[in-house]
Amino acid sequence: AQSVTQLDSHVSVSEGTPVLLRCNYSSSYSPSLFWYVQHPNKGLQLLLKYTSAATLVKGINGFEAEFKKSETSFHLTKPSAHMSDAAEYFCVVSDSNYQLIWGAGTKLIIKP
Amino acid sequence: NAGVTQTPKFQVLKTGQSMTLQCAQDMNHEYMSWYRQDPGMGLRLIHYSVGAGITDQGEVPNGYNVSRSTTEDFPLRLLSAAPSQTSVYFCASSFHQGRGYTFGSGTRLTVV
Repeated sequence: AQSVTQLDSHVSVSEGTPVLLRCNYSSSYSPSLFWYVQHPNKGLQLLLKYTSAATLVKGINGFEAEFKKSETSFHLTKPSAHMSDAAEYFCVVSDSNYQLIWGAGTKLIIKP
Repeated sequence: NAGVTQTPKFQVLKTGQSMTLQCAQDMNHEYMSWYRQDPGMGLRLIHYSVGAGITDQGEVPNGYNVSRSTTEDFPLRLLSAAPSQTSVYFCASSFHQGRGYTFGSGTRLTVV
């Protein structure tokens, strides 16, 4: 069965410094992977998705993620954090029936 | 283009009451789904539909009913509300399972 583990429940960085949100997955086949962002009291927005094309995926707002099959990871990065990036981020894998399996989320805190 | 519209945004129910959460999309998406989001957990799939007249259960279907009489609408019915159903509910749609999903803004439900 597919599963997703987000390794940090909270990540705190200073504005202007790099962001790294870690995600590991398990899947018995080549999965589709997604990152979603949820701002406080708002809905969910798709940041980026990997669907077996290029392993480095660029998303919106300067975020990108790299699919590493050997490490079963799909970490989300951004070179320079902005205050508006403060939100909760979810790593998601699509299972063999195309259902979405969600990680528990990582809260990103940006310090001024 | 409204995307995915959920109503109501907030609702308080008494234990045992029934109600329907509404979800409508105007993107001609075939795939629609309902999730619940609880603190410290990722989203969990309640029910989904791959097209008008077709529905199926997700991970946590008990206590909920759905129907899909049109492509646009996918209401979620709580048959007899219980405090364990206190949650935030999200409706999502997509052209196809496994593609990027568009989410509604959510319904915050409290059962007392």
